[in-house]
Amino acid sequence: GQNIDQPTEMTATEGAIVQINCTYQTSGFNGLFWYQQHAGEAPTFLSYNVLDGLEEKGRFSSFLSRSKGYSYLLLKELQMKDSASYLCAVRDRGSWGKLQFGAGTQVVVTP
Amino acid sequence: DGGITQSPKYLFRKEGQNVTLSCEQNLNHDAMYWYRQDPGQGLRLIYYSQIVNDFQKGDIAEGYSVSREKKESFPLTVTSAQKNPTAFYLCASSTGTPQETQYFGPGTRLLVL
Repeated sequence: GQNIDQPTEMTATEGAIVQINCTYQTSGFNGLFWYQQHAGEAPTFLSYNVLDGLEEKGRFSSFLSRSKGYSYLLLKELQMKDSASYLCAVRDRGSWGKLQFGAGTQVVVTP
Repeated sequence: DGGITQSPKYLFRKEGQNVTLSCEQNLNHDAMYWYRQDPGQGLRLIYYSQIVNDFQKGDIAEGYSVSREKKESFPLTVTSAQKNPTAFYLCASSTGTPQETQYFGPGTRLLVL
């Protein structure tokens, strides 16, 4: 199984940058996902990392270091609509497609 | 439009009652999943199905049952044995290969009267 840790809450100003860290422990890593979830809604897929390095998608980037069991999601040019919970999820090599989720990081964007 | 639908959006359960949550997808995905989300906690896997007529228990299957008679449908029954059913229930699907991303339905919020 995995232990997945991410901060509970982060606050940032509109237009700023926020970095959400996620650390994990797993017996056989097979991919890390980031999802965005607005209150009362379904999680929506943001990014997937399976190899070390940075994946960039517009204002959002995700980084992975497998040797450190560490990932971060970087949100640039924050907008009010980015206020949401961000979920880190890890796939274990031995558990066929199953994802283990962290508790989520609530990002609050202020004017 | 392709997607995943869940119904109802809100569901109320009385003591001792079984209730069934619907999940339908038209994405032609082989794999489907049910998760439970409680405040301040991550999503926890209840059941998953890799193919029609087959399903596996997840981490918190006690008090729940599922069926997978059709590729498009994966209903979840919350039985009276589930003593704390109040939660947000999310259904997801994927193409079925272990590498694939899971896509989520809009969720059903279950409340106990």
